[in-house]
Amino acid sequence: QSALTQPRSVSGSPGQSVTISCTGTSSDVGGYNYVSWYQQHPGKAPKLMIYDVSKRPSGVPDRFSGSKSGNTASLTISGLQAEDEADYYCCSYAGSYFWVFGGGTKLTVL
Amino acid sequence: EVQLVQSGAEVKKPGESLRISCKGSGYSFTSYWISWVRQMPGKGLEWMGRIDPSDSYTNYSPSFQGHVTISADKSISTAYLQWSSLKASDTAMYYCARHSSGYYYMDVWGKGTTVTVSS
Repeated sequence: QSALTQPRSVSGSPGQSVTISCTGTSSDVGGYNYVSWYQQHPGKAPKLMIYDVSKRPSGVPDRFSGSKSGNTASLTISGLQAEDEADYYCCSYAGSYFWVFGGGTKLTVL
Repeated sequence: EVQLVQSGAEVKKPGESLRISCKGSGYSFTSYWISWVRQMPGKGLEWMGRIDPSDSYTNYSPSFQGHVTISADKSISTAYLQWSSLKASDTAMYYCARHSSGYYYMDVWGKGTTVTVSS
């Protein structure tokens, strides 16, 4: 399995919205509604932000939302805040008990 | 509180063996799969493989098959990642993560174990 494709970096000003894309294939992103997103601050462990494409775990602000169209999933963060600056990774189930991550996107809050 | 507690940082020489651990607490260890995830310095997350602690069934990413072994001891709620012969390229942070009850995402993560392999 090849890594999912994410933009290396995105940026936005406080209060704005940003969207991070995650492109895979019909064998992973496009084949299952099992895309999850993780936030990782420097020196910290990843934290689950979105699961099953668009569901938010308890405690995750509703500023974070997820969607999918075809082989591309997206994470949208609205009302950007300084604490949202982090690396974001998508992950997709790829069948037969395999998972694949995206290469990661660095979000900069200007 | 549900948590995964990982063993401490390791510094090893090339060719040495190593086993790092991940102890689950606050939940039924055998009811949730554990995956291991590698993060090389300055790089992204890579899924290595997972184990079902109830029966120790494992599967590995093709990138890691044959290079590492994942195991578990359900009597002490601990999963392991081991190498028989380390290489410098194994230098990385290694995370264990619990799969959700629905299997398809990782909802609880350990803090990570740093492995440094250097002569």
